[in-house]
Amino acid sequence: QQQVKQSPQSLIVQKGGISIINCAYENTAFDYFPWYQQFPGKGPALLIAIRPDVSEKKEGRFTISFNKSAKQFSLHIMDSQPGDSATYFCAATLTVTGKLIFGQGTTLQVKP
Amino acid sequence: NAGVTQTPKFRVLKTGQSMTLLCAQDMNHEYMYWYRQDPGMGLRLIHYSVGEGTTAKGEVPDGYNVSRLKKQNFLLGLESAAPSQTSVYFCASSYVADTQYFGPGTRLTVL
Repeated sequence: QQQVKQSPQSLIVQKGGISIINCAYENTAFDYFPWYQQFPGKGPALLIAIRPDVSEKKEGRFTISFNKSAKQFSLHIMDSQPGDSATYFCAATLTVTGKLIFGQGTTLQVKP
Repeated sequence: NAGVTQTPKFRVLKTGQSMTLLCAQDMNHEYMYWYRQDPGMGLRLIHYSVGEGTTAKGEVPDGYNVSRLKKQNFLLGLESAAPSQTSVYFCASSYVADTQYFGPGTRLTVL
């Protein structure tokens, strides 16, 4: 019930293309769904997050789509750039617990 | 503000040795966390703290101990290191239990 499953494990996209990473969760009580971006040798950093009362959130080229009934959410990166090459983690939490549950991560490579 | 800092950045241990990893934050955050990151496993929570003087077990606590004697510091101890503890360790902190801010990581190798 506490798992978050992320796919694909790795992704290669051409510059200007759309990158899509998917996550599925089991616990319907989760109330916060962040995405983290991690560059090699660095710690993860919050990229964008959504709460389950909305179906979509957009910040610049990054969009989260949230499907509560399917218990799935996804990250879309529009007009992908080589600088977006990084590892992306989805996560979910029931905030009263104080704990984030992370997906396994997706390594994105954007080719110039 | 330095944010979240971790000491040391790299360490090599022999099996059976002990060590302590230090995490410090200057954001006055209540919550602090220790994770380990292994290829294909994502980030797994080792221990966490919801305030000064409190600690709780996470997903993979065995072989680790923690202490939070001061609000700004969270220490992770390995009493008898094993090769299975070779990993990258990240500390994080948060004001409330949602947005976590991560440190730069400690790369630990146990021979």
